[in-house]
Amino acid sequence: GQQVMQIPQYQHVQEGEDFTTYCNSSTTLSNIQWYKQRPGGHPVFLIQLVKSGEVKKQKRLTFQFGEAKKNSSLHITATQTTDVGTYFCAAYMNRDDKIIFGKGTRLHILP
Amino acid sequence: EAQVTQNPRYLITVTGKKLTVTCSQNMNHEYMSWYRQDPGLGLRQIYYSMNVEVTDKGDVPEGYKVSRKEKRNFPLILESPSPNQTSLYFCASRPAGYYEQYFGPGTRLTVT
Repeated sequence: GQQVMQIPQYQHVQEGEDFTTYCNSSTTLSNIQWYKQRPGGHPVFLIQLVKSGEVKKQKRLTFQFGEAKKNSSLHITATQTTDVGTYFCAAYMNRDDKIIFGKGTRLHILP
Repeated sequence: EAQVTQNPRYLITVTGKKLTVTCSQNMNHEYMSWYRQDPGLGLRQIYYSMNVEVTDKGDVPEGYKVSRKEKRNFPLILESPSPNQTSLYFCASRPAGYYEQYFGPGTRLTVT
């Protein structure tokens, strides 16, 4: 079936360093959403990207949607301990009317 | 407060003993889904429902049943649980035409 590949699976960074997670698809996506799941918590919606080349920012978080709408990234500038968690991308597959999740990137912050 | 609730939050059971995990949302959302989350495998969709009495299989439906008799409720039924169904389960909902999903707090199920 259709898949959304997310890398890396794990990332350890020193507090204050930047972090990026990537999602890639072999097919064109209608849109893509990003979620954050804190340890022990449930996924919480962060943002949705719809347009080709779209860039959105939320404080230290920058989200991008590729020009071909086949990839997306989430970049965190100057990580803080509150950024710890797993970040998921999720893409809406128009043909199947389904939302497919990437496997997530678990971010661990070293103090 | 707009929310998705799940019960129970934690459950330990034995192989073969039927169980139901309830899910309810108060946002009048059309779409509801069940996911299971396992280490290294991310969130995998079990079943979803587009509206009352309309359900469809997700990626890992084997061993599960669902029903959608009311718009707000979407229970997950395990007729004969097995140890490989030990997992963290999430219910989620969203309105038709929108793709932001609201997740419940999760149900941690252990089948021995």
